[in-house]
Amino acid sequence: DTAVSQTPKYLVTQMGNDKSIKCEQNLGHDTMYWYKQDSKKFLKIMFSYNNKELIINETVPNRFSPKSPDKAHLNLHINSLELGDSAVYFCASSPGTSGRGFSDTQYFGPGTRLTVL
Amino acid sequence: DAKTTQPPSMDCAEGRAANLPCNHSTISGNEYVYWYRQIHSQGPQYIIHGLKNNETNEMASLIITEDRKSSTLILPHATLRDTAVYYCIVTTSGTYKYIFGTGTRLKVLA
Repeated sequence: DTAVSQTPKYLVTQMGNDKSIKCEQNLGHDTMYWYKQDSKKFLKIMFSYNNKELIINETVPNRFSPKSPDKAHLNLHINSLELGDSAVYFCASSPGTSGRGFSDTQYFGPGTRLTVL
Repeated sequence: DAKTTQPPSMDCAEGRAANLPCNHSTISGNEYVYWYRQIHSQGPQYIIHGLKNNETNEMASLIITEDRKSSTLILPHATLRDTAVYYCIVTTSGTYKYIFGTGTRLKVLA
């Protein structure tokens, strides 16, 4: 009974390519997120989506485009990959108002390790 | 920037209580304190959170000082599997945003 899942787990690609990372949550949550953890282990928010609407975009280059086809999915598409995009990308979700009352508690996926060569 | 300060590393003997401090001297009245941990390179795992009162769950206890400027996460009987980086996060409800600091690397020693 996976809560937040991501595919693929590992992604190795060449500079300049376009790639996507998929995220799904089966928790019935309203809000989903993408975080990036770089080689120095700093974990930083990239995007937040609430009920399929973008609510936070943390000055991420526009080569990164999140897409939320429904509340349970938030995919991350990256164009023209650069060496600096190499990192671990984590998806997360939180209930928002989907539970009893409001909850911010975020639940994270296992991560996707992206390596750009 | 993160609104919290934590020691970079701590050691704890297996079976003993691990007390992890966090300073959040600029916390405002509507901000919660959340604790997460990250074991190796896995996704961060929720531990506990609180606003003013002390909290306890099956994983840990959270002690928040009366002035709310600092807190302590207590793992009552640390095991080797508790070795991880522990993050203390301060956030306002409804901002949909966590700002992670550098955390405390806890090493539980056999």
